[in-house]
Amino acid sequence: GAGVSQSPSNKVTEKGKDVELRCDPISGHTALYWYRQSLGQGLEFLIYFQGNSAPDKSGLPSDRFSAERTGGSVSTLTIQRTQQEDSAVYLCASSLWGTANTGELFFGEGSRLTVL
Amino acid sequence: AQSVTQLDSHVSVSEGTPVLLRCNYSSSYSPSLFWYVQHPNKGLQLLLKYTSAATLVKGINGFEAEFKKSETSFHLTKPSAHMSDAAEYFCVVSDLAGGFKTIFGAGTRLFVKA
Repeated sequence: GAGVSQSPSNKVTEKGKDVELRCDPISGHTALYWYRQSLGQGLEFLIYFQGNSAPDKSGLPSDRFSAERTGGSVSTLTIQRTQQEDSAVYLCASSLWGTANTGELFFGEGSRLTVL
Repeated sequence: AQSVTQLDSHVSVSEGTPVLLRCNYSSSYSPSLFWYVQHPNKGLQLLLKYTSAATLVKGINGFEAEFKKSETSFHLTKPSAHMSDAAEYFCVVSDLAGGFKTIFGAGTRLFVKA
């Protein structure tokens, strides 16, 4: 597609359940990011994939959070045993890596997660 | 590691007056710097970017920012605020040392009074 696509756009789940959030980046973009934005807050970095390199997981808040990127394209963010404090908008972004890289991010619309 | 500090969490201006949103960064290498805007219940939009070309960067909607290496600053300005400028603004840094991992500042909420 033309832009970054995220699904689902909204997810309501019960505390303790697992959730999966999907991101389909812009075709050809080798870098993919996940951020979390809680109500009225800034963007919290979660994880960063760059080509075939090992991902930078330094922002993941706990071991309940994990992410993978298959075939250098689609990424899935998984939250296990969800807690109420996990409620937030999860944003995915992609960017182009190369000699002319500027690092500009292209964002998806986000997945709003509500944990009851 | 790179980092970015937005010096004001909230800025309030009157319509028609200048806007100044302050940002300082830390980077080991020549950074790329960006300002993004997020209007209420909307997605993030790139305002402008600095990538080692001209130090004064012009963006959309009349905004501009000046890269000052000696001050490690990248402040966002606009000569005359409009009501539609009310939004959250994020200063962002990305550099080679971090593998171009992109870090956001905490954000500055701009209020525009009539």
